[in-house]
Amino acid sequence: NAGVTQTPKFQVLKTGQSMTLQCAQDMNHNSMYWYRQDPGMGLRLIYYSASEGTTDKGEVPNGYNVSRLNKREFSLRLESAAPSQTSVYFCATGRGSGIRNQPQHFGDGTRLSIL
Amino acid sequence: DAKTTQPPSMDCAEGRAANLPCNHSTISGNEYVYWYRQIHSQGPQYIIHGLKNNETNEMASLIITEDRKSSTLILPHATLRDTAVYYCIVRAGYGQNFVFGPGTRLSVLP
Repeated sequence: NAGVTQTPKFQVLKTGQSMTLQCAQDMNHNSMYWYRQDPGMGLRLIYYSASEGTTDKGEVPNGYNVSRLNKREFSLRLESAAPSQTSVYFCATGRGSGIRNQPQHFGDGTRLSIL
Repeated sequence: DAKTTQPPSMDCAEGRAANLPCNHSTISGNEYVYWYRQIHSQGPQYIIHGLKNNETNEMASLIITEDRKSSTLILPHATLRDTAVYYCIVRAGYGQNFVFGPGTRLSVLP
């Protein structure tokens, strides 16, 4: 998935630890998104940023915070990790805020395990 | 709540056309139909989208019925690398979110 880079690719944490997942895009897209995917399930939206300087909650925001650092970067932070947050996290970008017919483009994910 | 219904799994012979159906009977007039796929351990990959006309690109064709209540994604010559989970999505709400259901697991067989 060229254009959307997520780091790290894998991470193991202990309960209560904190960490930040990084996402950077070079597609010059305005919108950025964080999803989580649990085994056998579809993706669920955590937070999104329609444009630089704005962020909004998605379907499952509890336990997470985000920061839209600039147009290119959108980070997801777990302040106190819990086992229920074990998941694969995907970052995505979209061309424009408020534009209905634009697809999103995804990174390859961060696989996070919390013990 | 999912707005689309897809079969959980399908098989297709290599080199043949793969036709993946999707029902979206409650679609509203200004909602688009999107198709993505997810190959094991990778991020979802955009395939195609459309409103009411049939669409074709280098990856696939999208056929939307005239009443827009269902659609079919066609991979004209399936290869083993097309084995993946395919998601049919109707854009939810104002337009920011994509709601991914369980999708259809397509297995391309040699």
